[in-house]
Amino acid sequence: GAVVSQHPSWVICKSGTSVKIECRSLDFQATTMFWYRQFPKQSLMLMATSNEGSKATYEQGVEKDKFLINHASLTLSTLTVTSAHPEDSSFYICSARNEEQYFGPGTRLTVT
Amino acid sequence: KQEVTQIPAALSVPEGENLVLNCSFTDSAIYNLQWFRQDPGKGLTSLLLIQSSQREQTSGRLNASLDKSSGRSTLYIAASQPGDSATYLCAVRPYGTASKLTFGTGTRLQVTL
Repeated sequence: GAVVSQHPSWVICKSGTSVKIECRSLDFQATTMFWYRQFPKQSLMLMATSNEGSKATYEQGVEKDKFLINHASLTLSTLTVTSAHPEDSSFYICSARNEEQYFGPGTRLTVT
Repeated sequence: KQEVTQIPAALSVPEGENLVLNCSFTDSAIYNLQWFRQDPGKGLTSLLLIQSSQREQTSGRLNASLDKSSGRSTLYIAASQPGDSATYLCAVRPYGTASKLTFGTGTRLQVTL
């Protein structure tokens, strides 16, 4: 199956700093990418949908100024958590789609 | 609004057993349905994709069926192994190029020796 990579796989940052997470589709071009977050023992919560070359569409309740999404190419999308706070600590998963939807391995963010 | 439910929420079986995981959805106007597995602390691995026009898909020991009219899908795992232990999620996708998946609540499977 297709491969989606994420970098970093885990990151620890201090409160108030910004963190960037990269998501790449390695062997296919994805016009649509998705960003999810997941809390322990819960299902995935969609944060935003991004299309290459256009602004991301955020789900209700997700702050677009806090979670900046850039989908600069058909194989790369980035999520930047700005001015991170401890409540932003979570597991962030990206996904890329052609016909089937493929998920990255996730990024564990811990804000201290 | 689409709602996806999975039963059972958790399941423990001895190695070698065949098992069935259930997924039901309220809106039958779906484009496709996917089954995923998620290991603890990991992302999702796509297992099977069934298009709305299909009735079933098979991959190795896995077989997924789809009955769109009744809003049901099942994932059949034959001859279960300890390595099958994971959380299994079904997700439905509506029509539309930027359409979003709606995930089920998941079934946590434990296969014991």
